[in-house]
Amino acid sequence: ETGVTQTPRHLVMGMTNKKSLKCEQHLGHNAMYWYKQSAKKPLELMFVYSLEERVENNSVPSRFSPECPNSSHLFLHLHTLQPEDSALYLCASSQDTPPRGGMGYEQFFGPGTRLTVL
Amino acid sequence: GQNIDQPTEMTATEGAIVQINCTYQTSGFNGLFWYQQHAGEAPTFLSYNVLDGLEEKGRFSSFLSRSKGYSYLLLKELQMKDSASYLCAVVYSGAGSYQLTFGKGTKLSVIP
Repeated sequence: ETGVTQTPRHLVMGMTNKKSLKCEQHLGHNAMYWYKQSAKKPLELMFVYSLEERVENNSVPSRFSPECPNSSHLFLHLHTLQPEDSALYLCASSQDTPPRGGMGYEQFFGPGTRLTVL
Repeated sequence: GQNIDQPTEMTATEGAIVQINCTYQTSGFNGLFWYQQHAGEAPTFLSYNVLDGLEEKGRFSSFLSRSKGYSYLLLKELQMKDSASYLCAVVYSGAGSYQLTFGKGTKLSVIP
C-alpha cells in the first residue's frame, strides 16, 4: 500500500449506529487530518493531529470522536449521527504542521469515505 | 471565521490560458495552497505560496500578494483533463494554533 488509504470507501448507517472510519498513511508523515466535504460547501477541516496529539478541533460536535494511536493511523468514531452529517470524509497527512513545521505543509489526501446517514 | 472568496465556475477553451482568483483575509496569514480536485476524487496538491511573487511549475503558476490578500492560479495551454475544481486554501496560525480554511472551489470546464 502506498500513500493514504481509507476504509471503508462507502458507509450507510442509521442514526443510532456506532461506526468507525479508518485512515492509514504510508508516507512517514507526522501530521494527520480529518476533513468533511459536503455538496456545495467548502472543504471543512475537522481535526488535526501532530505527533499523535490533537492540535486543533474546529468546533466539531461530540458525536464525532477522533483517535490517533500512532503517527500512521487515524480513526474517526461516529455515534448518533444526523442525516446532515452525510458527506465525504477525507483523511490527509503531511510532513508536519505549522507553526512548528517548515515547508512540509503539502497535504496528501486519501480517497475518502462516502457516508450516508439514514 | 476567515472568508475565502473565489469564483464558483469558469469556462475556458482548450489551448487557452485561464486565471483563477482567490481573495482572503490577511490577519494571521501563514501561507496559501492551491489544490485540484477532479469529480469524485480526492484533492491533489498544486502549489504553496508564503512569500509574495509568482511560483511557476510547468503549465501551472501561482501568484501571491500578501498585502492585498490576493492570489491567483494561472493555467496555460489548457487541456481537457484540466477540467476540475480548483480549491484555494489559506493557513492561519499563531500562538500555537493552526487553522486551514478552504474556499468553495472554482469549477473549471475546458471546452474544445
